[in-house]
Amino acid sequence: KQEVTQIPAALSVPEGENLVLNCSFTDSAIYNLQWFRQDPGKGLTSLLLIQSSQREQTSGRLNASLDKSSGRSTLYIAASQPGDSATYLCAVRPSSGGGADGLTFGKGTHLIIQP
Amino acid sequence: GAGVSQSPSNKVTEKGKDVELRCDPISGHTALYWYRQSLGQGLEFLIYFQGNSAPDKSGLPSDRFSAERTGGSVSTLTIQRTQQEDSAVYLCASSSRSAGTQYFGPGTRLTVL
Repeated sequence: KQEVTQIPAALSVPEGENLVLNCSFTDSAIYNLQWFRQDPGKGLTSLLLIQSSQREQTSGRLNASLDKSSGRSTLYIAASQPGDSATYLCAVRPSSGGGADGLTFGKGTHLIIQP
Repeated sequence: GAGVSQSPSNKVTEKGKDVELRCDPISGHTALYWYRQSLGQGLEFLIYFQGNSAPDKSGLPSDRFSAERTGGSVSTLTIQRTQQEDSAVYLCASSSRSAGTQYFGPGTRLTVL
């Protein structure tokens, strides 16, 4: 059974710092990996999706990398801002056929950017 | 354009009652997913629809949970004889294709007293 772990569980840094959030998964047979952010009381917002054949994806100040063979992904946030404060979730989709398509999520990293 | 919408946003019910949660996916999205987010368990996958069929029901926690989708659009998640452990936020997501980016709705917060 796939398990996704995110480290650290919580992180508080001053505004302007660059930071890295980590995600690891136990089964490397994934189709893709997706990073989300969740604001309190809200749904999830998709940030980046990396296909299993890709090594990284970039969007603005965000860069996500994927090392499928070692079961790891990182989300790099450059020049952090208070508006980046949220919970960041990593999720993997299995590569198996047979209709399986649900994502397996980590428990998230709760990020606070101090003004 | 409009995103995924869910109703109600909040639902309080008594133990033993049945509840229905509704999800309206993004127009044209063929894939629809239900997840549950609870404090102790994090986000758990419940069921996936491709069109009106559900090829993956592996996440439904018990036979009290069922879901349907009609017309390839709206979906309802029904929980019969609710229990206190069913209290959670129920999230719906849709995607334009299987294995594509999933877009989430705001969720329904269910409280079972």
